[in-house]
Amino acid sequence: EDKVVQSPLSLVVHEGDTVTLNCSYEVTNFRSLLWYKQEKKAPTFLFMLTSSGIEKKSGRLSSILDKKELFSILNITATQTGDSAIYLCAGGGSQGNLIFGKGTKLSVKP
Amino acid sequence: DGGITQSPKYLFRKEGQNVTLSCEQNLNHDAMYWYRQDPGQGLRLIYYSQIVNDFQKGDIAEGYSVSREKKESFPLTVTSAQKNPTAFYLCASSIVVGGLYEQYFGPGTRLTVT
Repeated sequence: EDKVVQSPLSLVVHEGDTVTLNCSYEVTNFRSLLWYKQEKKAPTFLFMLTSSGIEKKSGRLSSILDKKELFSILNITATQTGDSAIYLCAGGGSQGNLIFGKGTKLSVKP
Repeated sequence: DGGITQSPKYLFRKEGQNVTLSCEQNLNHDAMYWYRQDPGQGLRLIYYSQIVNDFQKGDIAEGYSVSREKKESFPLTVTSAQKNPTAFYLCASSIVVGGLYEQYFGPGTRLTVT
């Protein structure tokens, strides 16, 4: 059965800290790993990763995929209170549907 | 103004009633999806459709039905057979780039059944 497991489930840090969110996956015919940020409403797209070892960066956020060990990490440096959200990881197969993890709830305290 | 719209934002129904949630997109995406989100559960796939007049069950399709008569529209009906319908419902559509599906979400509908 396909599954995506995220850890930790919740995390509390202070502004300026660096955090690492983890995502392991088992997805049949795996094609891509996606990260989303969800605040009070719909998830917003952050990254799509398809190749091992190639880091994707957007400002203070970066992510990398390891297809041999079947995991991905999302790093956030110099965290701000606006980074507080649920971060969702999803594995995509060849049919286009995504398998989501339960998310990591990040709280950044001032 | 392109995007995915869902209506209504909040919906209240009595137990035993069917209710239809709307999802429309003007992004010219072929594939559309319905997810359900419960607290602490992440997103679970209800149904998805990759082309007009075709759709497949996701992991939790029981008690739900869909139609895909137009490319732009993918309405979801929550039937009275759904045991726990109260949830946040998200519609998504995806663009296919090089065989990879990049999904984008609508704003969601929060359904409360009492």
